[in-house]
Amino acid sequence: AQKVTQAQTEISVVEKEDVTLDCVYETRDTTYYLFWYKQPPSGELVFLIRRNSFDEQNEISGRYSWNFQKSTSSFNFTITASQVVDSAVYFCALSEVPSNTGKLIFGQGTTLQVKP
Amino acid sequence: KAGVTQTPRYLIKTRGQQVTLSCSPISGHRSVSWYQQTPGQGLQFLFEYFSETQRNKGNFPGRFSGRQFSNSRSEMNVSTLELGDSALYLCASSLAPLEGKTQYFGPGTRLLVL
Repeated sequence: AQKVTQAQTEISVVEKEDVTLDCVYETRDTTYYLFWYKQPPSGELVFLIRRNSFDEQNEISGRYSWNFQKSTSSFNFTITASQVVDSAVYFCALSEVPSNTGKLIFGQGTTLQVKP
Repeated sequence: KAGVTQTPRYLIKTRGQQVTLSCSPISGHRSVSWYQQTPGQGLQFLFEYFSETQRNKGNFPGRFSGRQFSNSRSEMNVSTLELGDSALYLCASSLAPLEGKTQYFGPGTRLLVL
């Protein structure tokens, strides 16, 4: 069965520290997509990144970077030099291809608090 | 381009009542999905619509229903409200219902059932 696990419920760091958010997924399919979303206090889920299962290249976007490792079924997210504005709940999500649907399976989320 | 809009943003209802939530997708997006978010269960998929047809439904009772109009706007309805229906209801749109297509979310409707 498909599942996404974000073991870290809450993380608190001081501004400018680096922080890594873990995501482990389970799926029987060989083709799938993984996503990260950010949810600020306003409630809206903000799309950060999409990665398909055939692309294991790490990606960097400004202070954000993602490490996708199929061997360990992990898709971790690192924020470098964190800022107070990074404080939010972050969700990792999985979309399976053979199911032919846009359904996203979300992890429980990690609450990140960045203190000044 | 305007994002996904949801109305109303906040709702307070009492048990037994029914409620209708509305979602307008990003212009050009034809697929709309709905999710329920609660502290206990997290984000759970409700249903997905494309071309006015429900393509997939999550594990929710029949009290939860939805529809999509020809302009891709969508509504979801919850009848006979229960206390446990209190949640943030999020709507997401994507260009097509194909797997892996990025879904863009609206700000949500916060429903409180008393």
